[in-house]
Amino acid sequence: AQSVAQPEDQVNVAEGNPLTVKCTYSVSGNPYLFWYVQYPNRGLQFLLKYITGDNLVKGSYGFEAEFNKSQTSFHLKKPSALVSDSALYFCAVRDFANSGYSTLTFGKGTMLLVSP
Amino acid sequence: DGGITQSPKYLFRKEGQNVTLSCEQNLNHDAMYWYRQDPGQGLRLIYYSQIVNDFQKGDIAEGYSVSREKKESFPLTVTSAQKNPTAFYLCASSIQGQRWDSPLHFGNGTRLTVT
Repeated sequence: AQSVAQPEDQVNVAEGNPLTVKCTYSVSGNPYLFWYVQYPNRGLQFLLKYITGDNLVKGSYGFEAEFNKSQTSFHLKKPSALVSDSALYFCAVRDFANSGYSTLTFGKGTMLLVSP
Repeated sequence: DGGITQSPKYLFRKEGQNVTLSCEQNLNHDAMYWYRQDPGQGLRLIYYSQIVNDFQKGDIAEGYSVSREKKESFPLTVTSAQKNPTAFYLCASSIQGQRWDSPLHFGNGTRLTVT
């Protein structure tokens, strides 16, 4: 089965500084990777995805992610953090069943706290 | 606007009672999913359905049941057999389960508390 790991429970960064939220993956075959954000008591919002092509993927709200095949990583980045970016971030990978259909397998999440 | 509606937002039940969580989507998506979220554990898949009248167990299906009688609706029943039902439940949908590049769209969740 495919899996993702988010090694940091929490990331702290000052407003205006660059931020990185880490994700590593383990897959058989080509990886299909996603990042989501969750605000308190809300559902998850899709930020960006990597399917194929350029290793730097741009997404919503100024976020981007860098795919690194040799390091099996898909880190989320933003050049300049905002206080409003404070939220819970999830990395996910497409997983598949014998039925031929697929689901998403999520990491445990990383809480991002941006201080003023 | 298209989206996924989960109701109610908060639900309280006594131990031993079954409870059904509603999920409706108007995105015309074929695939629907139920996830459970617990602090520090991320999201875990309970059930998913790729087409009407068909559904598959996820990683933690024990103590749960679902139905998919209409494309728009995918209700989840938490039965009395579920040992730790208190959690935040998230419903999601995607265009097709075979479209590996399609993201999941999520509802705003139902927080279930069982005492």
